Amino acid sequence: QVQLQESGPGLVKPSQTLSLTCTVSGGSISSGAYYWSWIRQHPGKGLKWIGDIYYSGSTYYNPSLKSRITISLDTSKNQFSLKLKSVTAADTAVYYCARFMITFGGGIGSGFDIWGQGTLVTVSS
Amino acid sequence: QSALTQPASVSGSLGQSITISCTGTSDDIGVYDYVSWYQQHPGKAPKLMIYEVSNRPSGVSNRFSGSKSGNTASLTISGLQAEDEADYYCNSYTGSSTYYVFGTGTEVTVL
Repeated sequence: QVQLQESGPGLVKPSQTLSLTCTVSGGSISSGAYYWSWIRQHPGKGLKWIGDIYYSGSTYYNPSLKSRITISLDTSKNQFSLKLKSVTAADTAVYYCARFMITFGGGIGSGFDIWGQGTLVTVSS
Repeated sequence: QSALTQPASVSGSLGQSITISCTGTSDDIGVYDYVSWYQQHPGKAPKLMIYEVSNRPSGVSNRFSGSKSGNTASLTISGLQAEDEADYYCNSYTGSSTYYVFGTGTEVTVL
């Protein structure tokens, strides 16, 4: 079955760039039936959608983070990545990658059906 | 775009039914049938329980059901079991540049 696994540094210094990679196994990232998403959760808080990427390379970002984020994909490695620049302590969170089902003919994400285990990223000097 | 509004906590006894509400606006839940619900146990990743308002993914118990009326979506858990104790989040497409917004989350306690 399809599995997602996040990887990347668990500690990032303020003002630097947070970089995470999500490796997809058991299925192809080039499937047109899904978006590939990043979601974060501040400690003890709720979930926040960060953004998506489609296999074509089209991206969709949360406007509150849009100026600082880049989501990209590497189909040869079956991976997609998140870069968040100029981080502060407010970016400390558990970051999840997830597969986002797309409605038939609608192009809208209807549910995050598979999630990675999540990775805690702490921003601190 | 603000988060969708959920009650902070809901509780029920074993075997009972509970309903969790998720209130949005006429820009999201009110106009789109792209509401999903997630269950999250402590320290674990969220799990999809309902998508497109009322559809259950394969493997999810039929004790979980979803519905929508106006700007409010609801998740009902019937025959409450101990393992249902978790946090629950709703999510909706917004049709705006925000695209997708989660609810504030509800802690379910089984008495």
